[in-house]
Amino acid sequence: EPEVTQTPSHQVTQMGQEVILRCVPISNHLYFYWYRQILGQKVEFLVSFYNNEISEKSEIFDDQFSVERPDGSNFTLKIRSTKLEDSAMYFCASKLGQGTPNEKLFFGSGTQLSVL
Amino acid sequence: GENVEQHPSTLSVQEGDSAVIKCTYSDSASNYFPWYKQELGKGPQLIIDIRSNVGEKKDQRIAVTLNKTAKHFSLHITETQPEDSAVYFCAGGSRYSTLTFGKGTMLLVSP
Repeated sequence: EPEVTQTPSHQVTQMGQEVILRCVPISNHLYFYWYRQILGQKVEFLVSFYNNEISEKSEIFDDQFSVERPDGSNFTLKIRSTKLEDSAMYFCASKLGQGTPNEKLFFGSGTQLSVL
Repeated sequence: GENVEQHPSTLSVQEGDSAVIKCTYSDSASNYFPWYKQELGKGPQLIIDIRSNVGEKKDQRIAVTLNKTAKHFSLHITETQPEDSAVYFCAGGSRYSTLTFGKGTMLLVSP
């Protein structure tokens, strides 16, 4: 069964460093997302991406964050200068389209980011 | 924007019992309500979803009900098994909006 793949599974970085989290969405999907989950808390929306541009972003997704689809398969999240509070599990997700039955959102297994 | 509330935050049941998790939503424009199961160290996995034109949907031991008037929906798991132990998230959204998640329910099924 097709799945969303994320690398690395764990990332440790020093505060102020840049990190790039990588995702390979399901191949025929057109809508891509990043969510994050701080330990023990709910899954929070960061950004959605469609047709090579951001379609929606949350308050969390400030100027330190950026996303890119550099080629036909990868979807990346960059944090320019990490802060301690960026420590979280970051999930990539994708879906085929909008409306029945394409709206099902599939998640990757996540990248645990630890900022020291 | 949408706000999804989920209760309870933890739920302990004996194997074979039923478990019910409830969610409410605020945005009347939301019409799609999925449920996700998250096991330790893994990403959320879609287990069942319901759209607002349907009041109930079943898939083996799992069912979801939706009351659009009251803006609440529930997950029902019957004949629970230890492998049902996980965190369950409800979510709400629409065709043109992103999903908003509830805070999650940790379900523990004791043998």
